[in-house]
Amino acid sequence: DAGITQSPRHKVTETGTPVTLRCHQTENHRYMYWYRQDPGHGLRLIHYSYGVKDTDKGEVSDGYSVSRSKTEDFLLTLESATSSQTSVYFCAISEPPPGLAGISYEQYFGPGTRLTVT
Amino acid sequence: QQPVQSPQAVILREGEDAVINCSSSKALYSVHWYRQKHGEAPVFLMILLKGGEQKGHEKISASFNEKKQQSSLYLTASQLSYSGTYFCGTEIAVNQAGTALIFGKGTTLSVSS
Repeated sequence: DAGITQSPRHKVTETGTPVTLRCHQTENHRYMYWYRQDPGHGLRLIHYSYGVKDTDKGEVSDGYSVSRSKTEDFLLTLESATSSQTSVYFCAISEPPPGLAGISYEQYFGPGTRLTVT
Repeated sequence: QQPVQSPQAVILREGEDAVINCSSSKALYSVHWYRQKHGEAPVFLMILLKGGEQKGHEKISASFNEKKQQSSLYLTASQLSYSGTYFCGTEIAVNQAGTALIFGKGTTLSVSS
């Protein structure tokens, strides 16, 4: 199994509070991703990173920010949590094969964080 | 730009076959397939690249029609362990630095004995 951990694994928070989720990898993979999973929507990309301090927005980035100051850590912050952000959040990593920079390869997913905003 | 998967759900008996389809309105670099069991993380099954290269699972196959921007996942002689939700992910260019996967909503497969 790829070395990916997410913390916390479960969190309950109140509307309006800031929340930070952490993804940590030990694989030295360049690409890291944050997804949210909701019934009927599948997996939706929030933000992704293609290197330290290199990040970009995904499909559903409003209300979220990210940071990546080290290769191994990718943080997702909900600046002011809302009930619509109640979801399961997955982090994923990938590393393009040599000579194919820019093409994502198989992604390895972390165990997920279940976030409930009340 | 989310790819469309069909059917939404499939119910099978052990030994039966199934096909799951994935189509996109965007030009595709590759198509990925993942399976997720209830309460677990998605797990990589297969990737199909432009040009026909295929990597993946030994008992599950797939096709990729670049012109039609479609992919199909073929599960033959299904086993109980095949149960789960299957997601296709279509790879799209997002900036000069690279690409990202956009996933479909998933197809739930239930295999019974």
